[in-house]
Amino acid sequence: GQQLNQSPQSMFIQEGEDVSMNCTSSSIFNTWLWYKQDPGEGPVLLIALYKAGELTSNGRLTAQFGITRKDSFLNISASIPSDVGIYFCAGQEDSGGGADGLTFGKGTHLIIQP
Amino acid sequence: GAVVSQHPSWVICKSGTSVKIECRSLDFQATTMFWYRQFPKQSLMLMATSNEGSKATYEQGVEKDKFLINHASLTLSTLTVTSAHPEDSSFYICSATKGNPQHFGDGTRLSIL
Repeated sequence: GQQLNQSPQSMFIQEGEDVSMNCTSSSIFNTWLWYKQDPGEGPVLLIALYKAGELTSNGRLTAQFGITRKDSFLNISASIPSDVGIYFCAGQEDSGGGADGLTFGKGTHLIIQP
Repeated sequence: GAVVSQHPSWVICKSGTSVKIECRSLDFQATTMFWYRQFPKQSLMLMATSNEGSKATYEQGVEKDKFLINHASLTLSTLTVTSAHPEDSSFYICSATKGNPQHFGDGTRLSIL
């Protein structure tokens, strides 16, 4: 099956620093999504990307859908304590109908040091 | 934003018990619902895809007779873990969509003693 390689696995940063994480795939996805998961809760959607090359922002978050359709990155600017959590990338083969399940990366655990 | 409710949030039961988990889309009619499983410190793994009124499609390696899915309406899907054993202990999460993106429930923590 398809696999998503997400890196880094964990990040230890100071408050105020910028953060960057990425996902790569061995095969093409037509939709890329980024979620954040807090302990004991379900993932919350941050950004959805539907077109190769698309660059989308959501507040301090920016994500891009790679031109090759095999990668995506997520940047967080000026991190704050509530950014702590696990960030997952997810790919979907479906190009818009939403009928396919998601393939998730292994997550990036973001830890902010005071 | 879209709200997906999952119930119960936490279950502890004896080995051999069957457990039913509900997933509801509260403010939209979901064309498709999905069930995922997440083991500690791991990622979410898709178990099955469920469309209202039709049989669920299971991922390779997921036993359809053990994980029964019923999708009775456009707002409700249920997952029943039949004759649960300790190895079935996990975090079960549903998602719902009416055509991208998927919105997730808060998950059900299942612990089998």
